[in-house]
Amino acid sequence: DQQVKQNSPSLSVQEGRISILNCDYTNSMFDYFLWYKKYPAEGPTFLISISSIKDKNEDGRFTVFLNKSAKHLSLHIVPSQPGDSAVYFCAASASGGSNYKLTFGKGTLLTVNP
Amino acid sequence: DAGITQSPRHKVTETGTPVTLRCHQTENHRYMYWYRQDPGHGLRLIHYSYGVKDTDKGEVSDGYSVSRSKTEDFLLTLESATSSQTSVYFCAISESVGKETQYFGPGTRLLVL
Repeated sequence: DQQVKQNSPSLSVQEGRISILNCDYTNSMFDYFLWYKKYPAEGPTFLISISSIKDKNEDGRFTVFLNKSAKHLSLHIVPSQPGDSAVYFCAASASGGSNYKLTFGKGTLLTVNP
Repeated sequence: DAGITQSPRHKVTETGTPVTLRCHQTENHRYMYWYRQDPGHGLRLIHYSYGVKDTDKGEVSDGYSVSRSKTEDFLLTLESATSSQTSVYFCAISESVGKETQYFGPGTRLLVL
């Protein structure tokens, strides 16, 4: 049972355009969401997060939107740059109970073409 | 960048051999985690630690054990490696849990022949 789903294995965009990466979740107890970026042969790097009390969080070119009613979040990258080409993982956690765990999606490979 | 190192970075071993991977942190964070990454699975939690000598299982703990005798070190042991344990292993740390970011090490690529 996959609680965090990234339904697009890959996405290709042109440099300068917007990249939108999507993530859906099924567990209504999730209240904290994160995006990680991963380059080949490196560990995942934290990118941006959002708490369930917000619907938007922005950090430079990166914005995460959260739609709790739809159990959906998205990461917008504007403008996209070739250096953004990487695998992006969505992750979620629940602050109650066994609150140690991050549940990850399978990742989306973003390719930004010059 | 969080001060996390993993050793070795690459290892090739044979089925049935014991293997120990080491994670070392310089951040003095209380929580440490071991994940594995496999194609089509994202990252899956193997074990985690919430303090010295305090550890617990994650979702894919079978065939793995861990130990934490010092705050800065978290060891992952494959008692008898199998080919299904060929993977990339990542260590992560966090200061607390809940609404807390985990920071990852560079990974160890393990091949079990």
